[in-house]
Amino acid sequence: SSELTQDPAVSVALGQTVGITCQGDSLRNYFATWYQHKPGQAPVLVIFGKNSRPSGIPDRFSGSNSGNTASLTITGAQAEDEADYYCNSRDSTGDRLVFGGGTKLTVL
Amino acid sequence: QVQLQESGPGLVKPSQTLSLTCTVSGGSISSGIYYWSWIRQHPGKGLEWIGYIYYSGSTYYNPSLKSRVTISVDTPKNQFSLKLSSVTAADTAVYYCARVVGRYYFDYWGQGTLVTVSS
Repeated sequence: SSELTQDPAVSVALGQTVGITCQGDSLRNYFATWYQHKPGQAPVLVIFGKNSRPSGIPDRFSGSNSGNTASLTITGAQAEDEADYYCNSRDSTGDRLVFGGGTKLTVL
Repeated sequence: QVQLQESGPGLVKPSQTLSLTCTVSGGSISSGIYYWSWIRQHPGKGLEWIGYIYYSGSTYYNPSLKSRVTISVDTPKNQFSLKLSSVTAADTAVYYCARVVGRYYFDYWGQGTLVTVSS
């Protein structure tokens, strides 16, 4: 089982706002990083650090952290945002990198 | 733009050793800034970190796989490699290589390669 817990699936209407959460004890000490993963493609980094986006990632993607929960927010979801989203961080010991189980985002 | 590309056999027999290579272009493995990692995804499942390596050869492995994993680096070829021994069907997965920032997160990934363990 993963040390980071994500909801398996979330849906959002086109143009609306959606939040994807990641929970785990290690998030009290480490930021979560977020990746977008579409079938047959390489995962793409979308949020790292406190709330930073790599070059080329739209500003509708944002991240936040509170206690043991990290959140990825997509403000004004687009059809191309439909994908699996994974969080990652270190485990509670700090020795191992771990991923959440992933959240499948459907844009309706 | 950094690019990573996995290569290796797509089919491995049970009990044998899985061997994959990741070729890095657009940046040097020896830059000393980054670590270089392997990650896998079992069919229909989430991502699992396997381990990472520094250009000097220092390695860190997932404890759950440590007894079977070896990651090595070939700086002249700008490549790093994964060996996973004594494979079983449970090792069937898409294997990704990726660049690691701060031993913490992955900023560039390869496309992934499916490795099937079957006789």
